[in-house]
Amino acid sequence: AQSVAQPEDQVNVAEGNPLTVKCTYSVSGNPYLFWYVQYPNRGLQFLLKYITGDNLVKGSYGFEAEFNKSQTSFHLKKPSALVSDSALYFCAVLLTGANNLFFGTGTRLTVIP
Amino acid sequence: DTAVSQTPKYLVTQMGNDKSIKCEQNLGHDTMYWYKQDSKKFLKIMFSYNNKELIINETVPNRFSPKSPDKAHLNLHINSLELGDSAVYFCASNHGLLYTFGSGTRLTVV
Repeated sequence: AQSVAQPEDQVNVAEGNPLTVKCTYSVSGNPYLFWYVQYPNRGLQFLLKYITGDNLVKGSYGFEAEFNKSQTSFHLKKPSALVSDSALYFCAVLLTGANNLFFGTGTRLTVIP
Repeated sequence: DTAVSQTPKYLVTQMGNDKSIKCEQNLGHDTMYWYKQDSKKFLKIMFSYNNKELIINETVPNRFSPKSPDKAHLNLHINSLELGDSAVYFCASNHGLLYTFGSGTRLTVV
């Protein structure tokens, strides 16, 4: 079955340290992968997407993600975390044959001052 | 100049009532969606709709019905509200791979 998984419910990182939020996927064919962020009481904001090409995708607010086909992963990364990065992060995939995004279960990132 | 707007932002209502949540997009997108975010923050697709086709997630109760008066609007009507319907509902639209979400409507059924 096609799906996307975020194995960590919660990630804590100290301000200034690098952060990683993990995502793995299972889709048939070539995956279209996305990262969204949800700040408290706000809607979903687009961070970045992978369609094809360079495996390292750069997005908003200094975030980037690395597409790894052999590990079927699309981890979100940032070299130096800010307290303002604290939010809920969702990985999503566009399922083959569908037109809607299918979301992972979300990872709450807390950046500790 | 909000791209996808939902009203109301908050909705508190009693069990058994019928309510609607409105959604409008000014992006000229072809397809619109409704997602439900439950108390555990899980996001699940409820409906997708364009001018030609309505696709319903089979897990959605038939008390929920989308209504689209035109291409720019997709309203969500809910009959006989239940406690379990309490959630945040997000409207979204897309053109190609550009998906844009509204800021959500927090529905509380008491």
